[in-house]
Amino acid sequence: AQKITQTQPGMFVQEKEAVTLDCTYDTSDPSYGLFWYKQPSSGEMIFLIYQGSYDQQNATEGRYSLNFQKARKSANLVISASQLGDSAMYFCAMREGPTSGTYKYIFGTGTRLKVLA
Amino acid sequence: SQTIHQWPATLVQPVGSPLSLECTVEGTSNPNLYWYRQAAGRGLQLLFYSVGIGQISSEVPQNLSASRPQDRQFILSSKKLLLSDSGFYLCAWSLMNSPLHFGNGTRLTVT
Repeated sequence: AQKITQTQPGMFVQEKEAVTLDCTYDTSDPSYGLFWYKQPSSGEMIFLIYQGSYDQQNATEGRYSLNFQKARKSANLVISASQLGDSAMYFCAMREGPTSGTYKYIFGTGTRLKVLA
Repeated sequence: SQTIHQWPATLVQPVGSPLSLECTVEGTSNPNLYWYRQAAGRGLQLLFYSVGIGQISSEVPQNLSASRPQDRQFILSSKKLLLSDSGFYLCAWSLMNSPLHFGNGTRLTVT
């Protein structure tokens, strides 16, 4: 069964520094996608970055990058040059398919990031 | 462009009352549709998903049900709410290999 694990309930980072949020996953499907979402206190879910299981290079989107280590089944999110507005809950998610025939997206328990001025 | 509408934004209901939350997607055809629930300060729990009209997969046995009467409409229902049904309900859609796109959510409080 697919599983997503985020072991850091909370993290602090100083403004302008980089921070890494950990995510490990488990799946038997050779084709899958990995996603990171940001959830501010307002509750909206904001898509940040995507990594496909067959992608050779790590995904990057502006200040966000995904450190994809397939053999270790990890997909850590790196936020560079942290800003106060980055303070939020961050969720790692995985989508299996099409091999499994379903397109379920499962989420980790989240990491609450606080950026300090 | 695609948009997703979810309503109401907040809802307070007494125990034992019925529930109907509605979600519609515009600007795309045959999306996969999802209902998630988030307890306060917790992660997202997948409740139901649908890959087509009338096709509903349930992930968690409970007193909730879902229906997809039209291609871009997804409804979450309950005949009798429990206190444990309180939470933040999120509707979402996706296409084959795309990210999930979420609605703004409904905060349900069962009293």
